[in-house]
Amino acid sequence: AQSVTQLGSHVSVSEGALVLLRCNYSSSVPPYLFWYVQYPNQGLQLLLKYTSAATLVKGINGFEAEFKKSETSFHLTKPSAHMSDAAEYFCAVSETGGGKLIFGQGTELSVKP
Amino acid sequence: GAVVSQHPSRVICKSGTSVKIECRSLDFQATTMFWYRQFPKQSLMLMATSNEGSKATYEQGVEKDKFLINHASLTLSTLTVTSAHPEDSSFYICSASFAGKNIQYFGAGTRLSVL
Repeated sequence: AQSVTQLGSHVSVSEGALVLLRCNYSSSVPPYLFWYVQYPNQGLQLLLKYTSAATLVKGINGFEAEFKKSETSFHLTKPSAHMSDAAEYFCAVSETGGGKLIFGQGTELSVKP
Repeated sequence: GAVVSQHPSRVICKSGTSVKIECRSLDFQATTMFWYRQFPKQSLMLMATSNEGSKATYEQGVEKDKFLINHASLTLSTLTVTSAHPEDSSFYICSASFAGKNIQYFGAGTRLSVL
């Protein structure tokens, strides 16, 4: 069975600081991995996805994530946080990409001025 | 491209009434649509998966007679919450995917409040 664990339900950084949101997954097959962002009372927007191509994946808004099979991790990073990055972030895993998604618990990112 | 529209964005209803939520793929044909439920400060929980022209597949613990899903065309799926009760109050989100594209596109969600 697949599962996703996001370490830290809440992360707070200063504007301009590095953002690091952690995600570990469990999957019996090569996984598809995703990071989504959710702003209050809105749906989810795809930040980036890993589909077994390059292990370093670049997404929108300056975010990137690195797939590390040995660590079963897919951590999300951004070199310099912006106030507009404050939101809820979800890591998700799927066996088939467009099929059933298993979401992590979510990490709320706060950005301090 | 790949826009999913969900309507209404917010609905308030009385206990015992039924509520229908629509999910439309605006610029692509969605072979599969998904319905999720999200409680405050929690993650998304998959309720059901629907393929056009087929009966929906419900996740364990989701009452299919309570949450009726119809996927009558490649661009429209509906979720009907029947005989709604206060405990059904939640944020419902749909998503859609299409063959050959390994991602889901999400709607903006519907906030259901049952009084």
